[in-house]
Amino acid sequence: DSGVTQTPKHLITATGQRVTLRCSPRSGDLSVYWYQQSLDQGLQFLIQYYNGEERAKGNILERFSAQQFPDLHSELNLSSLELGDSALYFCASTGTGSGNTIYFGEGSWLTVV
Amino acid sequence: AQSVTQPDIHITVSEGASLELRCNYSYGATPYLFWYVQSPGQGLQLLLKYFSGDTLVQGIKGFEAEFKRSQSSFNLRKPSVHWSDAAEYFCAVAPSGTYKYIFGTGTRLKVLA
Repeated sequence: DSGVTQTPKHLITATGQRVTLRCSPRSGDLSVYWYQQSLDQGLQFLIQYYNGEERAKGNILERFSAQQFPDLHSELNLSSLELGDSALYFCASTGTGSGNTIYFGEGSWLTVV
Repeated sequence: AQSVTQPDIHITVSEGASLELRCNYSYGATPYLFWYVQSPGQGLQLLLKYFSGDTLVQGIKGFEAEFKRSQSSFNLRKPSVHWSDAAEYFCAVAPSGTYKYIFGTGTRLKVLA
């Protein structure tokens, strides 16, 4: 158990809809990362937050957004969903005690039908 | 641009046989190097990491990896594979001092009884 908690574990929704994925980082970790894993794109970095502030952006679509709240949990919002958004979305966290290592949650499986 | 190459998409070995998974990276300086394992339906678990120092790194589950600067490689090895090692293995690099992980495309390991 990495200590990173993600909900929901599985989600099925229709095209055009909006979903929110939630992540609770490891206790004390200030940084949260979101990754997308799909068959055709592999594991891709989406976005990073540090203590509530956006720190780095990767290949995140404009239809996607994220935020990190004062209690350090994070949410990834996916809107106007398309079939190609079906993927496994990982949250990861790290902090001063992590030794430059990112710890991943078990992911949220999103299926868009 | 930084990149990570895992040349073997699939590898099949017999239980008890030795294993070597290849990873090559492209980066100007010595990056931080990682190996993660993903079991079916699971998140990414850190096997081992290299930041500096001894180029032979020991990890969990009996895995080790060797950093070879001259070959820009960080290959993962295990002397005797167990059926429970069947999973997908990801090599990742990050520029020193950062968390901007770049993942390889993964190698799926199948273990024959």
